[in-house]
Amino acid sequence: ELKVEQNPLFLSMQEGKNYTIYCNYSTTSDRLYWYRQDPGKSLESLFVLLSNGAVKQEGRLMASLDTKARLSTLHITAAVHDLSATYFCAVAYTGTASKLTFGTGTRLQVTL
Amino acid sequence: NAGVTQTPKFQVLKTGQSMTLQCAQDMNHNSMYWYRQDPGMGLRLIYYSASEGTTDKGEVPNGYNVSRLNKREFSLRLESAAPSQTSVYFCASSEGTSGPLWYFGPGTRLTVT
Repeated sequence: ELKVEQNPLFLSMQEGKNYTIYCNYSTTSDRLYWYRQDPGKSLESLFVLLSNGAVKQEGRLMASLDTKARLSTLHITAAVHDLSATYFCAVAYTGTASKLTFGTGTRLQVTL
Repeated sequence: NAGVTQTPKFQVLKTGQSMTLQCAQDMNHNSMYWYRQDPGMGLRLIYYSASEGTTDKGEVPNGYNVSRLNKREFSLRLESAAPSQTSVYFCASSEGTSGPLWYFGPGTRLTVT
């Protein structure tokens, strides 16, 4: 059974600071996803990481994937209040059907 | 191009009542999914349909049934609602094994009293 663990579960940080969210998963996967969710809203796709060593960046967010360590990170650079949201990683593995398994989410609060 | 649509957006049920959540996608995707989201637990897979005509159980299928009506539509039915089914339900679709992207609907917020 695929397990996906995120930490921390809650993160309060000041504007301008850097921090990293970690996502560990238990079995071999060929795709890892990061999503953002604002309160009361659906999931917004941030990154899709498809191979070992993949790194993607969008604005103040950068995601990376190490398939050997079964670890992905979401790095936040110089946080701003607009980044306050819940961030989920999710892992897919293909079998007879492709299914997405989610981590528990990290609630990020950026304070002024 | 509407993507993934869900109806209703909100619903309140009494214990024992039944209802069907509707989901439709217009992207010609093979695979469709139903997830539930509870506080502190992320999204958990209820049922999925890898292709038209097939359905399979996910992680938390008890108390639910699904129907893949055609390639576009995938419904979730609660036959006898229980308070433990109070949750936010998301439908999703994907290209399946051939493609990496998932698309999520706006969600249905269900309260069972």
